[in-house]
Amino acid sequence: EAGVTQSPTHLIKTRGQQVTLRCSPISGHTSVYWYQQALGLGLQFLLWYDEGEERNRGNFPPRFSGRQFPNYSSELNVNALELEDSALYLCASSRGRPLGYGYTFGSGTRLTVV
Amino acid sequence: GQQVMQIPQYQHVQEGEDFTTYCNSSTTLSNIQWYKQRPGGHPVFLIQLVKSGEVKKQKRLTFQFGEAKKNSSLHITATQTTDVGTYFCAGLDSSYKLIFGSGTRLLVRP
Repeated sequence: EAGVTQSPTHLIKTRGQQVTLRCSPISGHTSVYWYQQALGLGLQFLLWYDEGEERNRGNFPPRFSGRQFPNYSSELNVNALELEDSALYLCASSRGRPLGYGYTFGSGTRLTVV
Repeated sequence: GQQVMQIPQYQHVQEGEDFTTYCNSSTTLSNIQWYKQRPGGHPVFLIQLVKSGEVKKQKRLTFQFGEAKKNSSLHITATQTTDVGTYFCAGLDSSYKLIFGSGTRLLVRP
């Protein structure tokens, strides 16, 4: 069984630019979650998508957005990049709603904003 | 909002010593999950606890969920160098967001 796949693995962007990160969940998983992990820090919840709908979002500004496609893959978009957006962006998937199932994480996208 | 706190932030042990990390929530949790993140890697799901007072074991790892479902612990017996990494607890808040603790980084001296 293929795991959660994320692309790209690394990205360097300039302040003010826009970026799109992609995630493909495990087959059969309908929920996708996005987390931000700044260097050496914990995981901050960004967004949760389930069945194509945004179900919840964390305390991040509106320039962080995303969507989930009919095949359950997901995109995370970040507009007007700032230096503090530099982080590892992790996508995770689970079977159905987040009660009773552990999350399977992808290897992440390392974003550097210069 | 809900906060999940973990202590200690770091633990440096000699191989063979025991290790414990503690997790405390500001609110009652429906369940608690534990993850391990190796250096340079991504979090990997270890276990989920659901019932008050529940204790689960995975080889040398023992997980406990407090009676009030507001705290949890992970204990590793006789650490090995393969145990190196950061251990995170995570709890679901009332809106089904999985909130991660700040993590405990375990370093093991061979």
